[in-house]
Amino acid sequence: QQQVKQSPQSLIVQKGGISIINCAYENTAFDYFPWYQQFPGKGPALLIAIRPDVSEKKEGRFTISFNKSAKQFSLHIMDSQPGDSATYFCAASQGGGADGLTFGKGTHLIIQP
Amino acid sequence: ETGVTQTPRHLVMGMTNKKSLKCEQHLGHNAMYWYKQSAKKPLELMFVYNFKEQTENNSVPSRFSPECPNSSHLFLHLHTLQPEDSALYLCASSAQTGYSTEAFFGQGTRLTVV
Repeated sequence: QQQVKQSPQSLIVQKGGISIINCAYENTAFDYFPWYQQFPGKGPALLIAIRPDVSEKKEGRFTISFNKSAKQFSLHIMDSQPGDSATYFCAASQGGGADGLTFGKGTHLIIQP
Repeated sequence: ETGVTQTPRHLVMGMTNKKSLKCEQHLGHNAMYWYKQSAKKPLELMFVYNFKEQTENNSVPSRFSPECPNSSHLFLHLHTLQPEDSALYLCASSAQTGYSTEAFFGQGTRLTVV
């Protein structure tokens, strides 16, 4: 049973456009929702994270929107750049992440110049 | 680099071999994790260690055996693996203190079982 569902599986966006990746979760005990970015040959790296006490968090061009009642959260990348081309993973955990993360399947993002 | 180092980066082993993956973190963290990353599947949490004590084992087959001798080192001992065990094995660490529980990942070991 997949606890975090991520879509789309792949995404192509023109340079300067907005990239949007969506995730939905089932476990209402989850209390920490990070997004990770992974480049080929590298391990995932934390991009931005949110906790359920806020509905939105913005860091530079990256924004997480969180809808607790719908059990959904999304990543928005504004002014997408070719350097943003990577695989993005949403994740969730309970207990603040102490027991590890449950990941979505990932989205392969390509930003066309 | 993230401060989490994994060796080797690549490993090819036969199904009857015994090998070990090593992870070392230089961040002063007290929690360490093993994840498995296979194509078209989510990263799968395998083992969790907090303060050197194993706190999570997600129904991982016994042919995978973790060891955490201290809070800076984590090993994954492999024996009699199957071809479907071929994957990228990622180690991560986190501080588990206060509000931030960011997990830092190593670059992984690409394992091929032949």
